[in-house]
Amino acid sequence: SQTIHQWPATLVQPVGSPLSLECTVEGTSNPNLYWYRQAAGRGLQLLFYSIGIDQISSEVPQNLSASRPQDRQFILSSKKLLLSDSGFYLCAWNRDRGHLEQFFGPGTRLTVL
Amino acid sequence: AQSVTQPDIHITVSEGASLELRCNYSYGATPYLFWYVQSPGQGLQLLLKYFSGDTLVQGIKGFEAEFKRSQSSFNLRKPSVHWSDAAEYFCAVGADNQGGKLIFGQGTELSVKP
Repeated sequence: SQTIHQWPATLVQPVGSPLSLECTVEGTSNPNLYWYRQAAGRGLQLLFYSIGIDQISSEVPQNLSASRPQDRQFILSSKKLLLSDSGFYLCAWNRDRGHLEQFFGPGTRLTVL
Repeated sequence: AQSVTQPDIHITVSEGASLELRCNYSYGATPYLFWYVQSPGQGLQLLLKYFSGDTLVQGIKGFEAEFKRSQSSFNLRKPSVHWSDAAEYFCAVGADNQGGKLIFGQGTELSVKP
């Protein structure tokens, strides 16, 4: 069966510091991968999605970036965090054919102070 | 433009009462429809999905949803709510020509009174 992991679970960082959040999927190959952000009391905002290694699309302009160093690994990064980067970050995967349902990781709570 | 609307931001029901959460979508292609549930501080869990066939679909935890094409709706229902159902619920829509991306509604927060 497939599982999806996110690391770390929680993170408190000062403004201006770098960021690296990791997402890893097990039990499948060539998944589509997604990064979402949830601000407090709001819905999901799609940040990045990837249909393969070196194929990453950004949905909104921001100071975040994403990389996919391996087929089942998706990294969310920032060189300098802003207060507005605080939120709950979710990684998800699915197939682009078939039933399309996305499967979500447990999330990372990021607080920027 | 493609969109998903959940008209109710917050709903409160008594334990044991019935529940209906509304979802309306605007989508040009034949949609795939989903309901997810999110407990505080956790990821989203798939409750049920609709692709084709019977318009009334059953999901986990006693939930069901009905696809009504004429009303562009996919409302979630449960005949008797339990206190553990208190959570955030998200409706989502996808299509074959969207490369796997889903569009999510803004969510409905469900509170359950004892």
